[in-house]
Amino acid sequence: GAGVSQSPRYKVTKRGQDVALRCDPISGHVSLYWYRQALGQGPEFLTYFNYEAQQDKSGLPNDRFSAERPEGSISTLTIQRTEQRDSAMYRCASSSRPGTTLGRWEQFFGPGTRLTVL
Amino acid sequence: AQTVTQSQPEMSVQEAETVTLSCTYDTSESDYYLFWYKQPPSRQMILVIRQEAYKQQNATENRFSVNFQKAAKSFSLKISDSQLGDAAMYFCAYRSPVLSPLFGNEKLTFGTGTRLTIIP
Repeated sequence: GAGVSQSPRYKVTKRGQDVALRCDPISGHVSLYWYRQALGQGPEFLTYFNYEAQQDKSGLPNDRFSAERPEGSISTLTIQRTEQRDSAMYRCASSSRPGTTLGRWEQFFGPGTRLTVL
Repeated sequence: AQTVTQSQPEMSVQEAETVTLSCTYDTSESDYYLFWYKQPPSRQMILVIRQEAYKQQNATENRFSVNFQKAAKSFSLKISDSQLGDAAMYFCAYRSPVLSPLFGNEKLTFGTGTRLTIIP
C-alpha cells in the first residue's frame, strides 16, 4: 500500500471488553513496531517484529496485551479485559528491513488507533 | 536504559523568525541515531531530520538543522524562517545501534515533546 494503515481509527469500548487493533504495514516492509502514546506524551515502545517473529515484547505493560504477525505482514495488537488506563493512541510503524549499524532507514508511522475505554 | 529529555513543554516564535528546540539524552553507548519527529494537529508522525552519532557534521534539511553535541549529549533542532505549517508537537527520539541485522531492535525512545506555536 501507499502507507501504513491502521484500523479502526477510533475505538470506544467498555471496561472489561477485549479489543483487537490492526496494522497493515507498507508492502514489503520487514520490521513492524507497536507504540502507545498517551495524551501529551511521546510514543512508548510496546513490541516489534522482524517478519513473523516477535523479537522484543519487553514494552508490553502486562499479560493482557499481546501481538501477533502470523504471515509476516498484517499485525494485530490485542488487549484483553480492557481497563480505563489502557485509553491511548496506539501507533504502528514499519521499516524496510532489519536494522544495521550503517545505512539509512526510516520508520513510517500509521495514523494510529485512538482507544477509549469507558 | 536510554532516556530522552525535552525540557521545553511549549515554545512560540514569530513567523519568519528562528527557533531552537532543546533535547538531551542519556546513554552509555558510543554509536546511536537521533531523530526529530513532527506531529501536526492531524497527529501524524513525520520524520523531520536524523543524525548519526558517528558523524561530526550536523545534519541539515532545508530550513531544519541540528546542533549535535555528543560530549554534552545534546541534540537541539533549529527551525529557520518559521512558517505557519511548522506549528506542531516536536519529539526528539533515540535509537540504539543494532548489532545483528536479523535480531537487532530498532525501537525508538521518545522524549515528552515540545509544542511549537507560530505567531503570525
